[in-house]
Amino acid sequence: QSVLTQPPSMSGTPGQWVTISCSGSSSNIGTNTVNWYQQLPGTAPKLLIYGNNQRPSGVPDRFSGSKSGTSASLAISGLQSEDEADYYCAAWDDNLNGLFGGGTKLTVL
Amino acid sequence: QVQLQESGPGLVRPSGTLSLTCTVSGGSINNYYWSWIRQPPGKGLEWIGYIHYSGSTTYKPSLKSRIIISVDTSKNQFSLRLSSVTAADTAVYYCVRQGVQVWMFDYWGQGTLVTVSS
Repeated sequence: QSVLTQPPSMSGTPGQWVTISCSGSSSNIGTNTVNWYQQLPGTAPKLLIYGNNQRPSGVPDRFSGSKSGTSASLAISGLQSEDEADYYCAAWDDNLNGLFGGGTKLTVL
Repeated sequence: QVQLQESGPGLVRPSGTLSLTCTVSGGSINNYYWSWIRQPPGKGLEWIGYIHYSGSTTYKPSLKSRIIISVDTSKNQFSLRLSSVTAADTAVYYCVRQGVQVWMFDYWGQGTLVTVSS
């Protein structure tokens, strides 16, 4: 069981707005920044959001991140079929441990 | 464009040592941190540890007794050694570049599957 808690699965229809939550504690999300990764089937993960809400070059602005207290969220607007993937949150923990959430499988119906 | 490539045996015997090397191309290994991350089949991601190009390391506490990560700046490579492996260590192992000021991973290798089996 991961220290960072995400819903195991979510679904949405094309064009919909969806949010994926990530819940942690004061020693990780409460103190450090949150990153999000997208993993398409059979591929390596890709950095989607870093520093809570920063998008690397090339990531569409449909993806946005936010953090409040010990929780974070990834929002996807205008859902597209190619967004069907696994999404992972990640944060450093002050106990000298890097943490990933358990992952959320997003299905586009 | 920075590229990372993992190399090493795909099969390791139980109680043996898993050894992987990551070769960095398209950029220098200097001035960055470099991590290993693994993903058991059908499961989520697990950070294993990181090394600074200077050689300083930080390891996942639960794996600390079994891990050594090293760097060879002359070859633009860093390596992972995981000892006393069991079937639970079977996973796709990724080498990644880690941010300097923010703990994030911006470049990933394609990953290599290591199976622990007799």
